[in-house]
Amino acid sequence: GNSVTQMEGPVTLSEEAFLTINCTYTATGYPSLFWYVQYPGEGLQLLLKATKADDKGSNKGFEATYRKETTSFHLEKGSVQVSDSAVYFCALKNAGNQFYFGTGTSLTVIP
Amino acid sequence: DTGVSQDPRHKITKRGQNVTFRCDPISEHNRLYWYRQTLGQGPEFLTYFQNEAQLEKSRLLSDRFSAERPKGSFSTLEIQRTEQGDSAMYLCASSTSGGLYEQYFGPGTRLTVT
Repeated sequence: GNSVTQMEGPVTLSEEAFLTINCTYTATGYPSLFWYVQYPGEGLQLLLKATKADDKGSNKGFEATYRKETTSFHLEKGSVQVSDSAVYFCALKNAGNQFYFGTGTSLTVIP
Repeated sequence: DTGVSQDPRHKITKRGQNVTFRCDPISEHNRLYWYRQTLGQGPEFLTYFQNEAQLEKSRLLSDRFSAERPKGSFSTLEIQRTEQGDSAMYLCASSTSGGLYEQYFGPGTRLTVT
């Protein structure tokens, strides 16, 4: 089957700290992988994506690399800002165009 | 285009009543998805359309749920004989069928069944 497991939160970091949010997946075939972000009071929006092994998605200083050998897609940012406080969801899309989301990781960045 | 819109934003209903939600996707998007999200969880796939055709439906979707997209534009999701367990946020998303399948989400409809 298809599923996504991401690290549980909440995560609290000081401004300019390094961020890692772990995400691993189980899928049949070769899924596409995504990170979505939900800022307070807003809807889900795509943060970054990768469609095949070894691809690196990047946006707004965030990066994630599609690792087929470890079935992982960990999200990283070198220096977080207060404005990065949000809930982050890892997701996969299978060959049938169904999306599977993780449970979300809440990040709070304090000044 | 202002993005994906959903109506209503909030719905409170009594157990046993029927409810219907509407989603208007981004106009040039031919794919439309419905999800359910409960507190502390990620969105759970319910069903998706390509144009007017319903191509996939989650096994978790009971017979009380039905979705339509009659002209390949807006979509409706109906829940019959609502139960308290149906209380959740119902999200709609749309995308093109080409490219990298980026989904654009609407703000959701929050359903409370009393």
